[in-house]
Amino acid sequence: AQSVTQPDIHITVSEGASLELRCNYSYGATPYLFWYVQSPGQGLQLLLKYFSGDTLVQGIKGFEAEFKRSQSSFNLRKPSVHWSDAAEYFCAVAPSRGRRALTFGSGTRLQVQP
Amino acid sequence: DTAVSQTPKYLVTQMGNDKSIKCEQNLGHDTMYWYKQDSKKFLKIMFSYNNKELIINETVPNRFSPKSPDKAHLNLHINSLELGDSAVYFCASSQAGSRSGAGSGELFFGEGSRLTVL
Repeated sequence: AQSVTQPDIHITVSEGASLELRCNYSYGATPYLFWYVQSPGQGLQLLLKYFSGDTLVQGIKGFEAEFKRSQSSFNLRKPSVHWSDAAEYFCAVAPSRGRRALTFGSGTRLQVQP
Repeated sequence: DTAVSQTPKYLVTQMGNDKSIKCEQNLGHDTMYWYKQDSKKFLKIMFSYNNKELIINETVPNRFSPKSPDKAHLNLHINSLELGDSAVYFCASSQAGSRSGAGSGELFFGEGSRLTVL
């Protein structure tokens, strides 16, 4: 079965600073990988996804993520954080075979300081 | 138009009661899900239906019974509510990939239904 680890429960960055949120997965093959964002009181919105091909994927709101097979990682990055980026971020994995739903990591809460 | 809509958004009830949460999607997707988000924000899959067929049923008490009258609707009925059922329940939908069935596509989430059991 697949699993996802987000080692950082809570991260605080200053507005304008760069951001990297970590995600490690466990799966026997290359899975499908996702990053979702959840604003307070809202549902989850997809930021970006990786299925195959170029290992650097671009998403919405200026986010990008890089798939590194050797490290089983799919870290999310943004060069300059805006106050509106404060939210909960979830990494998720789906198997590339079989009929399983997405498995989510435990989330990373991002706070942005003025 | 809301793509995935859930009702009610808030639900406060007493232990032992029975309650339902409804979900509808207008995206034409063939797969729908229920996820439970606990107080620590952890999201866990509960059920998944593909074209009205139950395909995922995680370890969930049988007090929880999903019902899919058609592929645009997936309702969740909970019997004999317990304190531990308090959570936010999210409905989601996706279009299953042709190779791998449910789970390969992007999930579209509703805004959640916050259930509080007193």
